[in-house]
Amino acid sequence: TQLLEQSPQFLSIQEGENLTVYCNSSSVFSSLQWYRQEPGEGPVLLVTVVTGGEVKKLKRLTFQFGDARKDSSLHITAAQTGDTGLYLCAGGPNTGNQFYFGTGTSLTVIP
Amino acid sequence: KAGVTQTPRYLIKTRGQQVTLSCSPISGHRSVSWYQQTPGQGLQFLFEYFSETQRNKGNFPGRFSGRQFSNSRSEMNVSTLELGDSALYLCASSSIFPGQGSAPLHFGNGTRLTVT
Repeated sequence: TQLLEQSPQFLSIQEGENLTVYCNSSSVFSSLQWYRQEPGEGPVLLVTVVTGGEVKKLKRLTFQFGDARKDSSLHITAAQTGDTGLYLCAGGPNTGNQFYFGTGTSLTVIP
Repeated sequence: KAGVTQTPRYLIKTRGQQVTLSCSPISGHRSVSWYQQTPGQGLQFLFEYFSETQRNKGNFPGRFSGRQFSNSRSEMNVSTLELGDSALYLCASSSIFPGQGSAPLHFGNGTRLTVT
């Protein structure tokens, strides 16, 4: 059973388009992190959000944490081929520094 | 600053064998976590160590074990390998200390284990 469900699972778009990835749960998390993973590499942290309703911007990426701290979204404006990768949300921490990872969204940006 | 180093990068084992994977965290990080990544299940938490003590364990059978040394390096061991153990095993270190809210995970590039 996955605590965090991401949608869509796969996304293929043209360069320059906008997109939104969703991360939903029935559980409340003290923080939520977003990672991007490229083939053959480990996930790399993009952002951490900790306050309900919080919005963070990282260049063309906008992250939002739901008011109830159960869900989050990632919006990419004017996607570039370099945005291609697997996007993972992670909620936690639980005991210690344990995080629950979402099911992942595989994004392909076509030139 | 050197990142998280995992060795080996690739392993091929047969059913019934055992395997040991190694992880060297970022210098100064005392928390090391292990995750299993498969296409069907995504990233699943295995266990976390802090200062040589296991703080938390995921829902995996006892065939999966780990330890952490005084220099924070960590190993995980899988005994009596099964086909379903084929996965990418990721190690992550963190600068978190007890009582701290949360800290980012810094992942290595993983060990790809194939069980035949």
